[in-house]
Amino acid sequence: DVKVTQSSRYLVKRTGEKVFLECVQDMDHENMFWYRQDPGLGLRLIYFSYDVKMKEKGDIPEGYSVSREKKERFSLILESASTNQTSMYLCASSLGGQGVDGYTFGSGTRLTVV
Amino acid sequence: AQTVTQSQPEMSVQEAETVTLSCTYDTSESNYYLFWYKQPPSRQMILVIRQEAYKQQNATENRFSVNFQKAAKSFSLKISDSQLGDTAMYFCAFMDHNAGNMLTFGGGTRLMVKP
Repeated sequence: DVKVTQSSRYLVKRTGEKVFLECVQDMDHENMFWYRQDPGLGLRLIYFSYDVKMKEKGDIPEGYSVSREKKERFSLILESASTNQTSMYLCASSLGGQGVDGYTFGSGTRLTVV
Repeated sequence: AQTVTQSQPEMSVQEAETVTLSCTYDTSESNYYLFWYKQPPSRQMILVIRQEAYKQQNATENRFSVNFQKAAKSFSLKISDSQLGDTAMYFCAFMDHNAGNMLTFGGGTRLMVKP
């Protein structure tokens, strides 16, 4: 069964901490994405990557960075966590090309910043 | 930029009945894809159904079907014979054929199926 695995289901961090959210996929997908999910706002794209060492900003990149050193792994980094980054974070991957099969999602990381 | 709007934050339906979830979108593109995703309490997002804009025929997947009105930029999801397991958040999403693989999501509709 193909999977996108997010390293933590729940995470509590303190304001100002550097936070790493890890995502690994085993489908040899080219594309990987990080979204945050907030009530009423749906999912908003933070960053995405079409290839190793490649990254592109999404709609809300401020306060975040990403790393993709290997094809299967895409990390989201909160350089200095703030309370307004408390949210659900979803990682997803898709095949290259048209991606018409949609995404495969991880189960999400619920991050609380205190 | 494309926008996706789901005007019903919450809905409920009796088991075995039919419910329709609304979605509208705004785009100047002519070639694109539309999706409905389901997120149950487990949080795992599941693809329910997809529609290619160039296809006039509405997509169906078992009890799930869409009403795609391209001119009106409307993409509603109909769930027939609702089951308790259909209780979930439902997200409508848009993908521009020419803008890579990025999905733009609506705000979601929380559906409760009542016994």
